[in-house]
Amino acid sequence: DAGVIQSPRHEVTEMGQEVTLRCKPISGHNSLFWYRQTMMRGLELLIYFNNNVPIDDSGMPEDRFSAKMPNASFSTLKIQPSEPRDSAVYFCASSLAGQNTEAFFGQGTRLTVV
Amino acid sequence: KNQVEQSPQSLIILEGKNCTLQCNYTVSPFSNLRWYKQDTGRGPVSLTIMTFSENTKSNGRYTATLDADTKQSSLHITASQLSDSASYICVVSEGSTLGRLYFGRGTQLTVWP
Repeated sequence: DAGVIQSPRHEVTEMGQEVTLRCKPISGHNSLFWYRQTMMRGLELLIYFNNNVPIDDSGMPEDRFSAKMPNASFSTLKIQPSEPRDSAVYFCASSLAGQNTEAFFGQGTRLTVV
Repeated sequence: KNQVEQSPQSLIILEGKNCTLQCNYTVSPFSNLRWYKQDTGRGPVSLTIMTFSENTKSNGRYTATLDADTKQSSLHITASQLSDSASYICVVSEGSTLGRLYFGRGTQLTVWP
């Protein structure tokens, strides 16, 4: 298996633009997580899907952030409009069954908003 | 308040030496504790997962311990190698329906030749 695949690896965008990050989880995994990592705050869980349904989105910072999982093999995290403080590395991870099983992380998307 | 604190924040050791990283948590109820290794520019990779009943778990040169009474965990690295240079993150899972995760800020380990 190729593991969790994220795209793009790097994204530079201007403030106010819409940004869409993409994730393909490991085949057969039914849980998907979006994380954000910054130097100031470390790793933070943004949202967690189980069987394509959002279970916990309490970590989503504000309405500018939205995540979807239309099927078991694809998820998106969208930021609109983007702001400089959204600059971070965004990780997608997947696991077999919820948060209590080992999660496998993608390589991350480094987002820079200028 | 549920928190995970790691120490030291950073550590430099010479190749071949041993080291121990610490993780203290206040998460309750407790489900499990994990140690992740994150190389620069990569996603975290799981080293160990320990539940309430496990005191120690090894993964090669990495040995994790858990004291659920004092809510402390340690990660011991034996005979360090240059490739051990990374950030080590402690993550504690809440024993609730959601199983919410709480992350430490990590210990940045640098191994010098």
